Amino acid sequence: AAGVIQSPRHLIKEKRETATLKCYPIPRHDTVYWYQQGPGQDPQFLISFYEKMQSDKGSIPDRFSAQQFSDYHSELNMSSLELGDSALYFCASSAGLTDTQYFGPGTRLTVL
Amino acid sequence: GESVGLHLPTLSVQEGDNSIINCAYSNSASDYFIWYKQESGKGPQFIIDIRSNMDKRQGQRVTVLLNKTVKHLSLQIAATQPGDSAVYFCAETGSYSGAGSYQLTFGKGTKLSVIP
Repeated sequence: AAGVIQSPRHLIKEKRETATLKCYPIPRHDTVYWYQQGPGQDPQFLISFYEKMQSDKGSIPDRFSAQQFSDYHSELNMSSLELGDSALYFCASSAGLTDTQYFGPGTRLTVL
Repeated sequence: GESVGLHLPTLSVQEGDNSIINCAYSNSASDYFIWYKQESGKGPQFIIDIRSNMDKRQGQRVTVLLNKTVKHLSLQIAATQPGDSAVYFCAETGSYSGAGSYQLTFGKGTKLSVIP
């Protein structure tokens, strides 16, 4: 079965640079979520989108923005990167706002 | 704020034995409780969930028990195999308000190591 696709899988950036993470949900899933997982931590909810509109916002820094496109893929844009932004970033998708969330393999972002 | 947490950070079991992973939660209004398995370098993989109005749910080799009286959730894995070695997270959805999506709140994770 098709799963959530994330790209890139690994990303290395310098402080103050920008990064863009992409997420392609499972086919026919209309809801996308972004989570951040620091080293040894549990995933923390950042933001979600439903039918191309922002649905909920969690602990997402103002330096980050995201959107969902007409083909339902989503991009997380991160600016003025800080060392503390180094983490695994997971995208999840679901078939509706309250359905099971299925996670992608994640993007490992390292900020030097 | 309310949170979900785990009693044991690590668990080592012999191959073939049963495993029990525990989780304490504090948001009694959550609609669903979910168990995810995360292998090294991979994303959380859905294992099983349980609705808040249920006490027990069984899947293939896994059983989830929900005790709302003491706000406790457990995952039982029967005949544990080496492939079960991973970090297991419990998560809760919170109570759906009728607008927006669920925001999963995860516990701290328990590392399960299966000894061959």
